[in-house]
Amino acid sequence: EEQLVQSGAEVRKPGESLKISCQGSGYSFNRFWIAWVRQTPGKGLEWMGIIYPGDSDTRDSPSFQGQVTMSADKSNNTAYLQWSSLKASDTAIYYCVRQRDYYDAFFDVWGRGTLVSVSS
Amino acid sequence: EIVLTQSPATLSVSPGERATLSCWASQSVSSNLAWYQQKPGQSPRLLISGASTRATGVPARFSGSGSGTEFTLTIDSLQSEDFAVYYCQQYHNWPPYTFGQGTKLEIK
Repeated sequence: EEQLVQSGAEVRKPGESLKISCQGSGYSFNRFWIAWVRQTPGKGLEWMGIIYPGDSDTRDSPSFQGQVTMSADKSNNTAYLQWSSLKASDTAIYYCVRQRDYYDAFFDVWGRGTLVSVSS
Repeated sequence: EIVLTQSPATLSVSPGERATLSCWASQSVSSNLAWYQQKPGQSPRLLISGASTRATGVPARFSGSGSGTEFTLTIDSLQSEDFAVYYCQQYHNWPPYTFGQGTKLEIK
């Protein structure tokens, strides 16, 4: 079964750092782009950017550029999303998703999401 | 950035009836549009890509149509498990790829 398994919920204070993970299995993880999608009650679903685990090439959404860092460890079939200094506005569910193709950029495999809560 | 507008925000339909959900794009996205279903506490699930191609395992009662700026998701003979929130997503222009704000399909 093709799946993406995400790390568990996190609670942090503003200004703290965080790194969440997404491990793929059941398919050639390193040959498909992985996207990160944020979900909040106010803004809905937002595409943050993509990473190609095979060579760690990335493409960022302008809205999230400089706010987060995407990385990957191809030897462990794992992608990461990290923050160096969290804000309360980063509170959201973060999904890692498999992008079907570079050009057919719909999302056919979804992780269960990681809830990130940032509060003082 | 392409803006997707879904209507209605909430749709009340009785089981067994047909539901018609709409998605409008602020500029043409050709057929580069997908539909997703999200149930409470779950991740979204891909239903339709390429505006009209059902994903693997999606029942035939789900159908998508449209191109350019106007798209429709139709669900025939609604089942209890179909009541959920539905999102459209364009992958024609990026960055970023964008989603609609969702239509909540509820039981009438």
